[in-house]
Parts: sequence; C-alpha cells; structure tokens
Amino acid sequence: NAGVTQTPKFRILKIGQSMTLQCTQDMNHNYMYWYRQDPGMGLKLIYYSVGAGITDKGEVPNGYNVSRSTTEDFPLRLELAAPSQTSVYFCATDSSFSYNEQFFGPGTRLTVL
Amino acid sequence: AQSVTQPDIHITVSEGASLELRCNYSYGATPYLFWYVQSPGQGLQLLLKYFSGDTLVQGIKGFEAEFKRSQSSFNLRKPSVHWSDAAEYFCAVSGGGADGLTFGKGTHLIIQP
Repeated sequence: NAGVTQTPKFRILKIGQSMTLQCTQDMNHNYMYWYRQDPGMGLKLIYYSVGAGITDKGEVPNGYNVSRSTTEDFPLRLELAAPSQTSVYFCATDSSFSYNEQFFGPGTRLTVL
Repeated sequence: AQSVTQPDIHITVSEGASLELRCNYSYGATPYLFWYVQSPGQGLQLLLKYFSGDTLVQGIKGFEAEFKRSQSSFNLRKPSVHWSDAAEYFCAVSGGGADGLTFGKGTHLIIQP
C-alpha cells in the first residue's frame, strides 16, 4: 500500500497561473484534508471532505477550491496563484473510526513568483 | 474555538539527555491529543495519541506523553535523546469530528553532540 501520495513534489508558478495539486489515497478512508504549512505557523486547514461529493471549508480556504468525485482522490485547485500561496501543502486522511488519527502525504512545495 | 500552544519555538538538548516538549491546549470538552514529528523535507509522522483512559501514553521511538486535564497540558518526554531525534515536533488537538486537527506552531529540536 502506498498510503497517501501527492504530486507534484515541487512546483514554481508565476503570479496568476493556475494549477492542481493531486492527492490520492489507497487506505479506503472517508475523510480527507488539505493543510498548508508556513514557517513558524504550524499547519492550517484549507478544506476537508467527509466522502465523495461532500466538501467543506477549513480555516484558510480563500484562493483554493476542491472536489471529491471518488473516495481515493481529493485534488486542490489554485485558480489565480498569488505569492501568499507560497507554502508547503499536505494532504491527509482519516478513517472516521480512528478518533482523528490522520495519515499525511509527503507534501508539495509550491513557490509563487 | 480550540487552540494549541507550544511555548518553545526552539529547544537544544545534548545527546543522551532527557527531553520534555511542552503543549497546552484549549478545548471545551475532552480532547483528542496528538504529537507528530516532521523531519526536514518530510511529511508528518504520528508519535503518539491520547483519546481516553490511562493519562500516560507510550509512542514510537521511545517517546511518551502525559495528559493533565487540570493543567490543559499534553507534554512530550523522552528519557534519552538521540541525534536522529532532531526534527520539528507538533502538538495537535481535535474534538473527534470530521473538521480536522488544530496544530500548534511547532517546536524545533536541536541535538548537540
């Protein structure tokens, strides 16, 4: 089992460009999450999903969109990249039966110039 | 709203010495508490978790943590650190719902030879 995979590992975007960060899990977990990590700030929740077709905003959703068409995939979309979105992005999953024990992907480091 | 405070941004410990990393949380009910470790350039790995029961919990890599409700604390300890323990450590809290974890800002652990 691969667990939680994220692509790409690194990406540089120009201001105003768009991109999709991919997250795929093979753990058959219902809950999936997107966090961003900024230096000295810990992790902040962007969006989450409790199952296919159901998503909700987290603490810092502005500038992002998500979709969940399958249990396995939870892509994060940046429509108009801004320098403030320079960050490391982590996808995580939770079985919904494990008291929020979350499993994290390796992260995507995004730089917007 | 729930919150987590990790008072120490950086801690330096000599190899072989004992370690305690502090974590204080704010939550209205019984919390679920976690410690995660992040090595440079890596994702987050769960060290240990507390849901209920025995307030002293054991984790991987020789770590333990003690839940003290009266002090709203969940401090992480290790009796003897190794150079490989150098990393960023995050404390996190949740209420058991689907809306993700709330993380502290992290403590950067430096190990001196």
